[in-house]
Amino acid sequence: SQQGEEDPQALSIQEGENATMNCSYKTSINNLQWYRQNSGRGLVHLILIRSNEREKHSGRLRVTLDTSKKSSSLLITASRAADTASYFCATDLTGGGNKLTFGTGTQLKVEL
Amino acid sequence: NAGVTQTPKFQVLKTGQSMTLQCAQDMNHNSMYWYRQDPGMGLRLIYYSASEGTTDKGEVPNGYNVSRLNKREFSLRLESAAPSQTSVYFCASSPFTAGVYTQYFGPGTRLTVL
Repeated sequence: SQQGEEDPQALSIQEGENATMNCSYKTSINNLQWYRQNSGRGLVHLILIRSNEREKHSGRLRVTLDTSKKSSSLLITASRAADTASYFCATDLTGGGNKLTFGTGTQLKVEL
Repeated sequence: NAGVTQTPKFQVLKTGQSMTLQCAQDMNHNSMYWYRQDPGMGLRLIYYSASEGTTDKGEVPNGYNVSRLNKREFSLRLESAAPSQTSVYFCASSPFTAGVYTQYFGPGTRLTVL
């Protein structure tokens, strides 16, 4: 079964709006990472949050982590058409070695 | 730097044929990975190599073999392709920086098995 489950599976918004996607996981983690995948391309790392952090910012991205609820959220503010992509959370599990476990992804569509 | 490169970009095989997917990285990363991506399934780890000379099974290793040829190259072999192996395959590499593994992905190989 998937370690990371993203919610929603798909999200459609207008340019300029904020987009929020969520990730839930099942076991203890060292850190959680978010990746973006444009159609037909490989994944690109966006942002990482460690297990002892609660919030992280990078440009228009804001990530939160609640280890008590085993969940994270990614907020993209003032979205642009170029943000249209799939977004995946990936967990670095405690004791999991140098592997990441990816969720099923959220497909974001930003319309003009 | 080219980053992570994969060849071929597209491939069509008949059931039972074999092939090797090639991956190379020029970032001097120790760890390398092979994933497959199927609709609605996210990325699933096939095999990984923590360092040159070592390989380990991931979540879905059956039907695949790997070779870590040197620090730069990590190949994935399908000995007898099956339609269930139709997928998009991604190679990734990772440094270990400040206690964290962040992965860098190649562009993918789209494989169809008829």
